[in-house]
Amino acid sequence: NAGVMQNPRHLVRRRGQEARLRCSPMKGHSHVYWYRQLPEEGLKFMVYLQKENIIDESGMPKERFSAEFPKEGPSILRIQQVVRGDSAAYFCASSPGPQTVNEQFFGPGTRLTVL
Amino acid sequence: AQSVTQLDSQVPVFEEAPVELRCNYSSSVSVYLFWYVQYPNQGLQLLLKYLSGSTLVKGINGFEAEFNKSQTSFHLRKPSVHISDTAEYFCAVSDSGLSGRRALTFGSGTRLQVQP
Repeated sequence: NAGVMQNPRHLVRRRGQEARLRCSPMKGHSHVYWYRQLPEEGLKFMVYLQKENIIDESGMPKERFSAEFPKEGPSILRIQQVVRGDSAAYFCASSPGPQTVNEQFFGPGTRLTVL
Repeated sequence: AQSVTQLDSQVPVFEEAPVELRCNYSSSVSVYLFWYVQYPNQGLQLLLKYLSGSTLVKGINGFEAEFNKSQTSFHLRKPSVHISDTAEYFCAVSDSGLSGRRALTFGSGTRLQVQP
């Protein structure tokens, strides 16, 4: 029973490059959340998606960041033209659906370092 | 808007001693409350959650928490800690209403350091 999978676990990019982070939810889960954890801070919500729909993107930076969760395949968080301030751990969580009670299961995270 | 405050950034404690990690929240709507644990270089694991009913919630690894609505608190306790409990602990809240907003709002975390 595989949990939430994220890859890569570690990603190094130079300023101006693009970063693509992947998240495969738990089997049977159709909802995905992305969170960012800056050094020495708690997790901050970025975006909530279900298959082919963005439900809540109130935490996404207005520029350079985008997310998708296609009908087939993993959810992708894309960061264009990365800057040093994007260095952080990015966590994905999944849940079974839009139930009122909604436990989120977290992946191991992708640690992005921008040089 | 919601916010979560974890008053202690670090809590050192000796092995087999009791511990309490404090969490206060503010919200204009009713909430669900959660405690997560994060071991180094790993994701978050759910320790326990309060949804409704009894205000004393028991979780995994011997942890428990008590929801106090009047004080808007959800403190985490363990009567006797082990070295293996050394980790970062996060308190979190989410809307419990019909808003559809299921995102978790996290506190900044408390690092529990258990010493032999």
